[in-house]
Amino acid sequence: NAGVTQTPKFQVLKTGQSMTLQCAQDMNHEYMSWYRQDPGMGLRLIHYSVGAGITDQGEVPNGYNVSRSTTEDFPLRLLSAAPSQTSVYFCASSPRPGTGTSGANVLTFGAGSRLTVL
Amino acid sequence: RKEVEQDPGPFNVPEGATVAFNCTYSNSASQSFFWYRQDCRKEPKLLMSVYSSGNEDGRFTAQLNRASQYISLLIRDSKLSDSATYLCVGNTGGFKTIFGAGTRLFVKA
Repeated sequence: NAGVTQTPKFQVLKTGQSMTLQCAQDMNHEYMSWYRQDPGMGLRLIHYSVGAGITDQGEVPNGYNVSRSTTEDFPLRLLSAAPSQTSVYFCASSPRPGTGTSGANVLTFGAGSRLTVL
Repeated sequence: RKEVEQDPGPFNVPEGATVAFNCTYSNSASQSFFWYRQDCRKEPKLLMSVYSSGNEDGRFTAQLNRASQYISLLIRDSKLSDSATYLCVGNTGGFKTIFGAGTRLFVKA
C-alpha cells in the first residue's frame, strides 16, 4: 500500500507564484487534512475535509485553498506565494473522524513537502 | 493561547533513565488524545492513543486527567532510539485534530 503520497517533495517558488501541493491516499479514508510545520510552532492545521465535496478551515487557512472532488485526492493550492509560507507541509488522512471507534482520528501522514518561497 | 501546549524541552537524559512529558489542553470538548513521535526530517507517526483509564505499551505509559485537562507520557528505561520529538495531540470529537508544538528528547549513551 502506498498510504498517503505527497508531491512534490521539494519546491522553490518566487513571491507571487502559484502552485499546488498534491496529496493522494489509497486507504479509502474519509478525513484528510493539511498541516504546516514551522520551527517552534509544531504542526498547525490549515484546512481539512471530512469527505468528498466538504472542506473547512483549520487554524491558519489564509493564503491557501483546497478542494475535495474525490475521496482519494486533497490538493492544497497557494494562489500567490509569500515568504511567510516557507514551511514543511504535511498531508494526513484518517478513517473516520469524530467518532470513538478504534482507529478513528488516528492520522497517517505523507512524507512531507518542503516549500521555500524567495 | 494554543489549544494544546507542551514543554518544548529539550530533555537530555542518559540511557536507562525514566522521563515524563506533560501536555495541557484548553478545549474541554476534546475527546480523543494521542501521542505521536516524529524523527528528524520525517513525518509524525502514531506512538499510542491515550485512554481515560491510562494505558501502557511496553516501556511507554500514557495517562489522561480530564478534570485537570492534561495528558502525560512516561518513558521507562530510555533507549538511544527513543531520541525524537514527541507530539501531544487532541481531537475535539468534531473534525479538528490539533497538535502541540512537540517536546524534544535526546537520550545519551
